[in-house]
Amino acid sequence: DAGVIQSPRHEVTEMGQEVTLRCKPISGHNSLFWYRQTMMRGLELLIYFNNNVPIDDSGMPEDRFSAKMPNASFSTLKIQPSEPRDSAVYFCASSSPLEGVKLFFGSGTQLSVL
Amino acid sequence: GQQLNQSPQSMFIQEGEDVSMNCTSSSIFNTWLWYKQDPGEGPVLLIALYKAGELTSNGRLTAQFGITRKDSFLNISASIPSDVGIYFCAGQRETSGSRLTFGEGTQLTVNP
Repeated sequence: DAGVIQSPRHEVTEMGQEVTLRCKPISGHNSLFWYRQTMMRGLELLIYFNNNVPIDDSGMPEDRFSAKMPNASFSTLKIQPSEPRDSAVYFCASSSPLEGVKLFFGSGTQLSVL
Repeated sequence: GQQLNQSPQSMFIQEGEDVSMNCTSSSIFNTWLWYKQDPGEGPVLLIALYKAGELTSNGRLTAQFGITRKDSFLNISASIPSDVGIYFCAGQRETSGSRLTFGEGTQLTVNP
């Protein structure tokens, strides 16, 4: 079975550029989460969706960050404009109502903003 | 910010040794999860705990849901080199809905 699929695996961009991260959750999962991981702050929840609807975006750092889930099998996290302090690993995770709060993570996108 | 205190932050052990790590909080949790993260990969779920006092094993791994519901423990017996990685606890609080709170992680190094 395919797990959570994220793309790209690595992204290097220059400050000020727009960055779009993509995620395909596990088929049948109805909740999707975007996390950011840094050495300083660990794993931080940015936003999560339930049935394609954003439920809690209180973790989104600022207006430069936006996330969408146009359908059950696709989500994007966009940063515009990007800044060096956005450099981190961004993870997408999904969960199923049948498995409660168990999260299944993708392999992440390593973002470097120069 | 983090609301779970995970310790130790790092461990250096010899192959074959047993390992213990734990997470504590001032809040009550309904669910505890333990994850392992390998370099360049996302966290992978190891064990899930749902009741106070619950003891669950997954191979050489054993985790416990603390009686007070404010802590959890993970033990690894007879460690092997592939146990190397970062171990995270995660908890679901009573008032947090689907949100999980993650510990800071324990970096485990196993020397052959």
